Amino acid sequence: AQKVTQAQTEISVVEKEDVTLDCVYETRDTTYYLFWYKQPPSGELVFLIRRNSFDEQNEISGRYSWNFQKSTSSFNFTITASQVVDSAVYFCALRENSGGYQKVTFGTGTKLQVIP
Amino acid sequence: DADVTQTPRNRITKTGKRIMLECSQTKGHDRMYWYRQDPGLGLRLIYYSFDVKDINKGEISDGYSVSRQAQAKFSLSLESAIPNQTALYFCATSDSGTSFSTDTQYFGPGTRLTVL
Repeated sequence: AQKVTQAQTEISVVEKEDVTLDCVYETRDTTYYLFWYKQPPSGELVFLIRRNSFDEQNEISGRYSWNFQKSTSSFNFTITASQVVDSAVYFCALRENSGGYQKVTFGTGTKLQVIP
Repeated sequence: DADVTQTPRNRITKTGKRIMLECSQTKGHDRMYWYRQDPGLGLRLIYYSFDVKDINKGEISDGYSVSRQAQAKFSLSLESAIPNQTALYFCATSDSGTSFSTDTQYFGPGTRLTVL
């Protein structure tokens, strides 16, 4: 069965610090997708990124970067030079691709507080 | 305008009442989902629908029912609300696309439901 673990329940950093949010997953599939979503205090869920299991290249989008390592089953998310607007709960998610309905499993989220 | 809308955004009701939460989307996606979010538990799937004639139970469907009135509309009903159904409810959509579709789910803004 697939599983997503976000061991960090809450993290606090001072503005401009870098912060990494950890995500470890379990799956038996060789083909799968990983996602990160952001949930700001207003409550909506915002899609950030999707990676497939065949693409291990790290990705950078502005201050955000993602490090995908199949060898350790991790898909970590780093925010560089954090800002107060980054304060949110961040969810990592996994979708297998083994035919039929491919359930999306979400982690329990990491609450990030950026202190001014 | 938002691609995925949910009504109402907030609702307080009493035990035993029938409640309907509505979701509409303009993304043209064929797949729609209902999740609930509880503190510390992440998102859990209630029901999903791959097209108008396809309705499937998720992991926590007891006490809920759904209706897919059109490709763009997917409603969630609580026939007789109970306090432990107090939660944040999200509707999501995705596009099945090609056979190797990434099937990313895009979420509505959420409905905060309180059952007294």
